[in-house]
Amino acid sequence: GENVEQHPSTLSVQEGDSAVIKCTYSDSASNYFPWYKQELGKGPQLIIDIRSNVGEKKDQRIAVTLNKTAKHFSLHITETQPEDSAVYFCAASRTQFYFGTGTSLTVIP
Amino acid sequence: NAGVTQTPKFQVLKTGQSMTLQCAQDMNHEYMSWYRQDPGMGLRLIHYSVGAGITDQGEVPNGYNVSRSTTEDFPLRLLSAAPSQTSVYFCASSPSRRVGFSNQPQHFGDGTRLSIL
Repeated sequence: GENVEQHPSTLSVQEGDSAVIKCTYSDSASNYFPWYKQELGKGPQLIIDIRSNVGEKKDQRIAVTLNKTAKHFSLHITETQPEDSAVYFCAASRTQFYFGTGTSLTVIP
Repeated sequence: NAGVTQTPKFQVLKTGQSMTLQCAQDMNHEYMSWYRQDPGMGLRLIHYSVGAGITDQGEVPNGYNVSRSTTEDFPLRLLSAAPSQTSVYFCASSPSRRVGFSNQPQHFGDGTRLSIL
């Protein structure tokens, strides 16, 4: 099956700085890569996704890049705010979703 | 429009007891799934369904049963609870499978926190 690795497991940044979270996957047939944000006591919420026919996607302060050759994709958050503090999960999918182990992001005011 | 609703939110069981975790969605989604979330392990797929009457196993199906008699509901059953099943359980749904269910965003419920003593 697919194996998704996510780094770092924890990340602290100053408010206004950028945050980058990276994931690698093993199955070259995976074709959909969503990112989820999970706040304490809540379920994961989709924040951005990318399909294998696209190399980059941006939505305001959030962007995702995909390198199919290297089998890795990254989440970029610019101008971080305290409300960005949460756990972020990447996932890769072909027929099933496989999730990374999560990154706990803390934005320090 | 409530989205994905999971009940109960918390539950404590004794080893060997059985229970059913409920999941309902009101978005007319065909695809529904159950995950468990354990510290340091992300979310792992237990079972999934691509439509009423159709279910299949995910990555960690042992000890769990599911059924899908309606589009809206997808209950998860623990027949004989074990301490290893202590976890947070999430139900998720996605729209129509006609365009490929694996390529669409999933909507998650807020989870059921289950402790087995």
